[in-house]
Amino acid sequence: EAQVTQNPRYLITVTGKKLTVTCSQNMNHEYMSWYRQDPGLGLRQIYYSMNVEVTDKGDVPEGYKVSRKEKRNFPLILESPSPNQTSLYFCASSPDRTYSDTQYFGPGTRLTVL
Amino acid sequence: QKEVEQNSGPLSVPEGAIASLNCTYSDRGSQSFFWYRQYSGKSPELIMFIYSNGDKEDGRFTAQLNKASQYVSLLIRDSQPSDSATYLCAVTGIGWAGGTSYGKLTFGQGTILTVHP
Repeated sequence: EAQVTQNPRYLITVTGKKLTVTCSQNMNHEYMSWYRQDPGLGLRQIYYSMNVEVTDKGDVPEGYKVSRKEKRNFPLILESPSPNQTSLYFCASSPDRTYSDTQYFGPGTRLTVL
Repeated sequence: QKEVEQNSGPLSVPEGAIASLNCTYSDRGSQSFFWYRQYSGKSPELIMFIYSNGDKEDGRFTAQLNKASQYVSLLIRDSQPSDSATYLCAVTGIGWAGGTSYGKLTFGQGTILTVHP
């Protein structure tokens, strides 16, 4: 089954404790993105990757890091989480960078930073 | 001005009515337009996309695009309680990174639709 998986699905942590949210897709997609979703703000892109070792900032990259060492995986790293990073996070992948085909979303990770 | 703006909602319609969701965008170079549906606690799912001016119909859903007015809408006919969800408008523009163009997908803030029996 074609899918995007994220782990963990729920996470409560404390300020400053480094964490990683994993994302994996099994569709051999080149293009992957991370979004955060906050009430009234819709989905905002954090980082994207056009292929292995090619990543760049989206609209709200501050406080986040990513890496793309393998095509299927695109982890999101919060080196020193802060309460304003409490949000719902989605990873997504698409077959190409022009969105000519649909974008597949993971199930989401709800993060709370105390 | 927000890049992509949707009617603020929430929108409440009776079962069987037409629900009308609207979206305006600021980038005249935008090329592709998407409507996603998101149920509470779930991930967004694509329900419609449109590239050309005019109407595009898929079952009970009709997307309408007017590039001159920078306006895209979604009509849901014969609304059902199962249509109750948040609807997200998304628009692609062109971004540039390292000399390579890429599709930059920008979402609106979403409109909550409730269809009551």
